[in-house]
Amino acid sequence: GEDVEQSLFLSVREGDSSVINCTYTDSSSTYLYWYKQEPGAGLQLLTYIFSNMDMKQDQRLTVLLNKKDKHLSLRIADTQTGDSAIYFCAETSNTNAGKSTFGDGTTLTVKP
Amino acid sequence: EADIYQTPRYLVIGTGKKITLECSQTMGHDKMYWYQQDPGMELHLIHYSYGVNSTEKGDLSSESTVSRIRTEHFPLTLESARPSHTSQYLCASSDTTGLDNSPLHFGNGTRLTVT
Repeated sequence: GEDVEQSLFLSVREGDSSVINCTYTDSSSTYLYWYKQEPGAGLQLLTYIFSNMDMKQDQRLTVLLNKKDKHLSLRIADTQTGDSAIYFCAETSNTNAGKSTFGDGTTLTVKP
Repeated sequence: EADIYQTPRYLVIGTGKKITLECSQTMGHDKMYWYQQDPGMELHLIHYSYGVNSTEKGDLSSESTVSRIRTEHFPLTLESARPSHTSQYLCASSDTTGLDNSPLHFGNGTRLTVT
């Protein structure tokens, strides 16, 4: 079945850029999402990219999609301590009845 | 702001008790989902619904059951709770209009502990 993989941990210093990577296997993915989960809360949609795009920028967030390599990344510029959270990559495709497949989450720790 | 609500936020119960976790959304979304999130933080889909009177089992086998009598309400029931059911349960919904595969809106979760 479909699979989405992420590295589990990332630690950066405040003010640096963070890059969280994700790979997926479903070549028919239509949308790819990044969600953020803060302690004790549910997941919150950060941004998404359609599969026919290769880049999307939204303020401090930049999403890059390499469809050939099935690789997705999320870059956070000027990372702040408030960005510390778990970040989930997810994909949906029509072959999976529109259900989302999630990665295991990357825990981002921002040190002051 | 939360348009999808889960109650209770925390629940500690003894083995063998019947419990129902509540989930309601005010966005009129047709699709609703229940995920179980284990300590390693992976998300596992346990139930989903694409509309009233429609329920399906998810990718992870679960002893829980769900019902969808109203669009806005998607409760999850455990007939006899066991310590292995200890986990965080996240409810989510998505829209079927607009994007073919709309993003999920999540509630804040119910953290269940079975002693």
